[in-house]
Amino acid sequence: KQEVTQIPAALSVPEGENLVLNCSFTDSAIYNLQWFRQDPGKGLTSLLLIQSSQREQTSGRLNASLDKSSGRSTLYIAASQPGDSATYLCAVSLISSGSARQLTFGSGTQLTVLP
Amino acid sequence: GAGVSQSPSNKVTEKGKDVELRCDPISGHTALYWYRQRLGQGLEFLIYFQGNSAPDKSGLPSDRFSAERTGESVSTLTIQRTQQEDSAVYLCASSSTGAALHFGNGTRLTVT
Repeated sequence: KQEVTQIPAALSVPEGENLVLNCSFTDSAIYNLQWFRQDPGKGLTSLLLIQSSQREQTSGRLNASLDKSSGRSTLYIAASQPGDSATYLCAVSLISSGSARQLTFGSGTQLTVLP
Repeated sequence: GAGVSQSPSNKVTEKGKDVELRCDPISGHTALYWYRQRLGQGLEFLIYFQGNSAPDKSGLPSDRFSAERTGESVSTLTIQRTQQEDSAVYLCASSSTGAALHFGNGTRLTVT
């Protein structure tokens, strides 16, 4: 059974700081990995999707890396802003039997960027 | 374009009643997922639909839970004889095959 772990559970940084969020998974036979952010009382917003054949993806101030062999992904946020405050979730899609692929989510990292 | 739409946004029901939650996916998305998120907890997979293939129901917690989807359109999640432990936010997501998931804002279910 795939298990996804995110460390740290919570993080508080001053505005402008660069930061790294970590995600690890136990089964390396993944189809893709996705990072989301969730604001309080809202659904999830997709940030970056990394296919299993890729090493990293970038979008603006965000950069996500994937190391399948070690079962790790990182989300790098440059020059953090108070608007980045949210819970960040990583989710892994496994290659399972048939065509069904379910996502397994980590429990998230709650980020607070202090002005 | 329009995102994933879920209705109702909030639902309060009495224990023992049945509820039906609706999800309108993004047009053209073949995959549709239902997740449950209890207060302060992570997302719990419930069910996955992919085109006309048999759905993956492995996450449904009990036989009180069922879901349907007609083709690549609307999906409904039905909870029969609701219990207080069913209180949670129910999230729906859709995607094209292998692409990023797009989530709705969820339905907050409260069972009193």
